[in-house]
Amino acid sequence: DQQVKQNSPSLSVQEGRISILNCDYTNSMFDYFLWYKKYPAEGPTFLISISSIKDKNEDGRFTVFLNKSAKHLSLHIVPSQPGDSAVYFCAASEGTNAGKSTFGDGTTLTVKP
Amino acid sequence: KAGVTQTPRYLIKTRGQQVTLSCSPISGHRSVSWYQQTPGQGLQFLFEYFSETQRNKGNFPGRFSGRQFSNSRSEMNVSTLELGDSALYLCASSVNSYNEQFFGPGTRLTVL
Repeated sequence: DQQVKQNSPSLSVQEGRISILNCDYTNSMFDYFLWYKKYPAEGPTFLISISSIKDKNEDGRFTVFLNKSAKHLSLHIVPSQPGDSAVYFCAASEGTNAGKSTFGDGTTLTVKP
Repeated sequence: KAGVTQTPRYLIKTRGQQVTLSCSPISGHRSVSWYQQTPGQGLQFLFEYFSETQRNKGNFPGRFSGRQFSNSRSEMNVSTLELGDSALYLCASSVNSYNEQFFGPGTRLTVL
């Protein structure tokens, strides 16, 4: 049973538009959520996180929204840039166990110039 | 500050052999986690070490083991390699378990 799901394997958007990446989870014990970005031949890089006590967290062009009742989170990138093209992973953990994160399969974002 | 380093970067082994992968975390980070990534799959959690103790373990067979040294460096060992063990093995470190993780570039293991 996959506890963190990213149902869209890929997403293509035009430069300057909004990119919305989605993630669903099933484990109600998850209370800390993270997004990582991965370029080829590199390890994932932390992007932004959100705790379950919040429903929104912003960092520059990146905003993460959390809907606890729907067990759904999304990452918005505005405006999208070609350099944002990468694989994006959603991850979740149970509070103090962030060292044991459960990852989704990733969504490949392509931003076209 | 130097990032997470992993050695070797690439490794080719044959079935039945064993392999040891190494990870040096960011200075000051005490938590080290290991993940396996196979094509088309997300990162699968292997185990986490904190202050030389295994704190969490994923659903992998006992052929997968690890340890952490007093300087926080960590090693992962896979014995009796199988073809299905071919994957990218990623190491991640964090100050403790409460924060985001910093990943190394990974070790690409190919089992023939």
